[in-house]
Amino acid sequence: DADVTQTPRNRITKTGKRIMLECSQTKGHDRMYWYRQDPGLGLRLIYYSFDVKDINKGEISDGYSVSRQAQAKFSLSLESAIPNQTALYFCATSDLGLAGAVPLNEQFFGPGTRLTVL
Amino acid sequence: DQQVKQNSPSLSVQEGRISILNCDYTNSMFDYFLWYKKYPAEGPTFLISISSIKDKNEDGRFTVFLNKSAKHLSLHIVPSQPGDSAVYFCAAQAFSGSRLTFGEGTQLTVNP
Repeated sequence: DADVTQTPRNRITKTGKRIMLECSQTKGHDRMYWYRQDPGLGLRLIYYSFDVKDINKGEISDGYSVSRQAQAKFSLSLESAIPNQTALYFCATSDLGLAGAVPLNEQFFGPGTRLTVL
Repeated sequence: DQQVKQNSPSLSVQEGRISILNCDYTNSMFDYFLWYKKYPAEGPTFLISISSIKDKNEDGRFTVFLNKSAKHLSLHIVPSQPGDSAVYFCAAQAFSGSRLTFGEGTQLTVNP
């Protein structure tokens, strides 16, 4: 069973539509993240949450919003999708790494959602 | 401002030889560095990490070297195998528990 799951895995939508990407985890981690991957740009952080009542903006939060419904669930919304939001989206989770522990704050990624905005 | 840079988008090596993937960073506050591997249609998976108090960490065929004065780290894979063909991401964080900053990734191809 996958520890971090994302739905849907693929989505094609039109400009202006509202889209929600879901992430669920069974790892019991408090921390959850949303990234997008674009060719030549690597992984860029959109939003992150360190617990249910905590939401923080990442590098590229404009045009996105998130909701942390429970420890295990973190959803990403595009209120009005635009073509340059076409990308591969990843959810990740982590637990607080203890100083000196290896690996340090390892993040566990879901399989990704490929989103195309026409 | 790209704080973590992987200047080689791609690297091709022969099976059995050494693969060396490079990563440079600009933020002197980064204390921990991680390498992730990503296969197509899968999420990135953790490979190996290193703390700034060390200059080398080894795990089987994978070794990461850190040169703090040059703000440079490298991942060595010896011997390289076709199954190592993937995109490799370098990532850095300022302290344990903080957010990760990723590089652009390097596509490694290991030819049989």
